[in-house]
Amino acid sequence: AQKVTQAQTEISVVEKEDVTLDCVYETRDTTYYLFWYKQPPSGELVFLIRRNSFDEQNEISGRYSWNFQKSTSSFNFTITASQVVDSAVYFCALSEGAGGTSYGKLTFGQGTILTVHP
Amino acid sequence: NAGVTQTPKFQVLKTGQSMTLQCAQDMNHEYMSWYRQDPGMGLRLIHYSVGAGITDQGEVPNGYNVSRSTTEDFPLRLLSAAPSQTSVYFCASRQDSNLSPLHFGNGTRLTVT
Repeated sequence: AQKVTQAQTEISVVEKEDVTLDCVYETRDTTYYLFWYKQPPSGELVFLIRRNSFDEQNEISGRYSWNFQKSTSSFNFTITASQVVDSAVYFCALSEGAGGTSYGKLTFGQGTILTVHP
Repeated sequence: NAGVTQTPKFQVLKTGQSMTLQCAQDMNHEYMSWYRQDPGMGLRLIHYSVGAGITDQGEVPNGYNVSRSTTEDFPLRLLSAAPSQTSVYFCASRQDSNLSPLHFGNGTRLTVT
């Protein structure tokens, strides 16, 4: 069975600090997809990134970067120079399979509450 | 473009009452699903549908029913509400491709007393 673990329940940083959110996953499939979602205090879920299991390239988008390492089954998320607006709950999620029954069946981690203080 | 619309946003029920959480999407997505969010547990899949007339159970289906008579709508029914169903419920949809992410509604906060 698939599983996603976000060991950090809560992280508190001061503005402009860098912060890394850890995500470790378990799956038996060779084809799978990893996601990060952001849930700001307003409650909606905002898609940040999708990565498939065949693409281990790290990705950078502005202040956000993601480090995917199959060898350690990790998909960590780093925010550089954090800002107060980054305060949110961040979820890592996993979807198995090459299609069909995998459609949108995400297994979520427990979430990490990030608080950025001014 | 409204995306995924959930109603109501808030609901309070008494134990044993029934109700339907509504979910509609205007993106012509084949896939729709319901998740519940509980503190410290992330989001867990309740039911999902890969197209009109087709539904299946997720991780935590007990106490919930769904149907999918149209592509646009995917209502979630609580037949006899229990306090354990107090949660925030999210509906989501996606295109018929693993290249597209799930689009979530804004959630329904349900309290069962």
